[in-house]
Amino acid sequence: EAQVTQNPRYLITVTGKKLTVTCSQNMNHEYMSWYRQDPGLGLRQIYYSMNVEVTDKGDVPEGYKVSRKEKRNFPLILESPSPNQTSLYFCASSFRRGSGMGSPLHFGNGTRLTVT
Amino acid sequence: AQRVTQPEKLLSVFKGAPVELKCNYSYSGSPELFWYVQYSRQRLQLLLRHISRESIKGFTADLNKGETSFHLKKPFAQEEDSAMYYCALIGSGGSNYKLTFGKGTLLTVNP
Repeated sequence: EAQVTQNPRYLITVTGKKLTVTCSQNMNHEYMSWYRQDPGLGLRQIYYSMNVEVTDKGDVPEGYKVSRKEKRNFPLILESPSPNQTSLYFCASSFRRGSGMGSPLHFGNGTRLTVT
Repeated sequence: AQRVTQPEKLLSVFKGAPVELKCNYSYSGSPELFWYVQYSRQRLQLLLRHISRESIKGFTADLNKGETSFHLKKPFAQEEDSAMYYCALIGSGGSNYKLTFGKGTLLTVNP
């Protein structure tokens, strides 16, 4: 089944303790992206990757890191989490844009992170 | 800069009533527009994209370049339509693949 898989689904941690949220897709998509979803703010892009070893900042990259060593994986790293990073996080992937037509995003189930 | 505005945070209608979720955008080139839906406790999923000009679950959306709008419409709302709806835009210029979402509209369809 074609899907985007995030782990864990729920995570409670303390301020300053490094954590990684994994994201994997099995659709051979070139493009992958991380979003955070907060009430009243909608979805905001954190980082995205156009292809292996190519990553770019989105709208709210501060406090986050990503890596794209393989096409299928795009982990989100919080080196020193803070309470303002408490949020619902979504990973998404799609085929790279070609011939001027965007392709839709496939989303993971989300990771609810709480930083105390 | 590209921007997507969904002016209504909350929209409540009765079952069988028409519904329109508004979306306005700001982009200097030719955008590609999408509607994504998130049902309770589920992942976001694509509902519509303007290039397809299709009707999904009774919903339609027409891109109006003059008014820079991409409103989502359904003539007769159903209870199962209750969800969060996000309008999204991709700019068509350059190599950037920045997808910008609106802040979302929570639709509640009452029995």
